[in-house]
Amino acid sequence: GENVGLHLPTLSVQEGDNSIINCAYSNSASDYFIWYKQESGKGPQFIIDIRSNMDKRQGQRVTVLLNKTVKHLSLQIAATQPGDSAVYFCAEGFTGGFKTIFGAGTRLFVKA
Amino acid sequence: DAGVIQSPRHEVTEMGQEVTLRCKPISGHDYLFWYRQTMMRGLELLIYFNNNVPIDDSGMPEDRFSAKMPNASFSTLKIQPSEPRDSAVYFCASSLKGGNTEAFFGQGTRLTVV
Repeated sequence: GENVGLHLPTLSVQEGDNSIINCAYSNSASDYFIWYKQESGKGPQFIIDIRSNMDKRQGQRVTVLLNKTVKHLSLQIAATQPGDSAVYFCAEGFTGGFKTIFGAGTRLFVKA
Repeated sequence: DAGVIQSPRHEVTEMGQEVTLRCKPISGHDYLFWYRQTMMRGLELLIYFNNNVPIDDSGMPEDRFSAKMPNASFSTLKIQPSEPRDSAVYFCASSLKGGNTEAFFGQGTRLTVV
């Protein structure tokens, strides 16, 4: 069949607005979640993480929310800047496990 | 620490040739991961090591792919013979404790097989 590329979900926001990127994770046993940011030509870079004993964690301009009931994770970026334009990946892992599983990613465009 | 170091940054090779990608993890990290990223499949985990021992190579696409970690500071991913469909960006990452700690990624090697 014809090959098609991965169509990443895309979020376009105005500079200065808040961004919310969502992610559904797959494994009920996962107890550790990470958000990574990947800029063009670079490897994924850690932004923030959260463990399953928490619902919310805040960093500098970023907040991660975890809803274990519906296996949903979100990343909120406050006052989005052009430098935030990138692909954002959520990843899940679990205590005692060896690896993290990456989601497909969401592309964030920030309009000046 | 300089972070995870990969070489080369770019590699262009002809179909059928052997390709070797190299990685130096962060000192003290017990886990090393090799990923492949393409537009078609996103970020795929190929293989990972714990204390230099391969733990899970189920992501390695074919026998043409092999990986080694002869010591704690060096790993290689080899493709022999290479094919055009192997063209991708290959990332190496290391982490302190595996699945419940963050992974640190290198800059990647962009491989083009013509």
